[in-house]
Amino acid sequence: DVKVTQSSRYLVKRTGEKVFLECVQDMDHENMFWYRQDPGLGLRLIYFSYDVKMKEKGDIPEGYSVSREKKERFSLILESASTNQTSMYLCASSGGTTYNEQFFGPGTRLTVL
Amino acid sequence: QKEVEQDPGPLSVPEGAIVSLNCTYSNSAFQYFMWYRQYSRKGPELLMYTYSSGNKEDGRFTAQVDKSSKYISLFIRDSQPSDSATYLCAMSKGIDQFYFGTGTSLTVIP
Repeated sequence: DVKVTQSSRYLVKRTGEKVFLECVQDMDHENMFWYRQDPGLGLRLIYFSYDVKMKEKGDIPEGYSVSREKKERFSLILESASTNQTSMYLCASSGGTTYNEQFFGPGTRLTVL
Repeated sequence: QKEVEQDPGPLSVPEGAIVSLNCTYSNSAFQYFMWYRQYSRKGPELLMYTYSSGNKEDGRFTAQVDKSSKYISLFIRDSQPSDSATYLCAMSKGIDQFYFGTGTSLTVIP
């Protein structure tokens, strides 16, 4: 079974702090994604990566950056956390030829005070 | 207009009922259609994946795609309390263009 793990289930940070969210997958997937999920808005794509050191902006990249130094790991960085970044953050991965079949991690609920 | 519209519910049915969940979309370029199930405080789990139009069946679950009407459905037969979850539809034109519905909350009452 594909396993996608995220470093924290719950995180509380202060406004202005730099926040790192880590995601690791164990299925040698080429593609990795970061989403945020908010009530009434569904999942929105922040960034994705289709290869090591490659990244592409999704629909809402402002205020975020990403890093993919190794194939199995994809990090989401909030450079200066703000209260409107309080959300559920979900990481997903998929294979190169089956990129539509995404496997999600359990999510990190981030609260910015 | 949103790319994908999904009735948020909530939907409550008795155990054993047939459940119908639906999404509409506006972009005729979508080719790939997915249904995810999300339990409370968990990440979404892929349930069904279809390409283009037609039906796909997997156990108690059937996914239908009607591209002419821009309408997709997920049917759950003989619903069980363990089916209680939020169901998300998703569709794609390609790797960088995924769109999710907001989810329908389903409760199956024993």
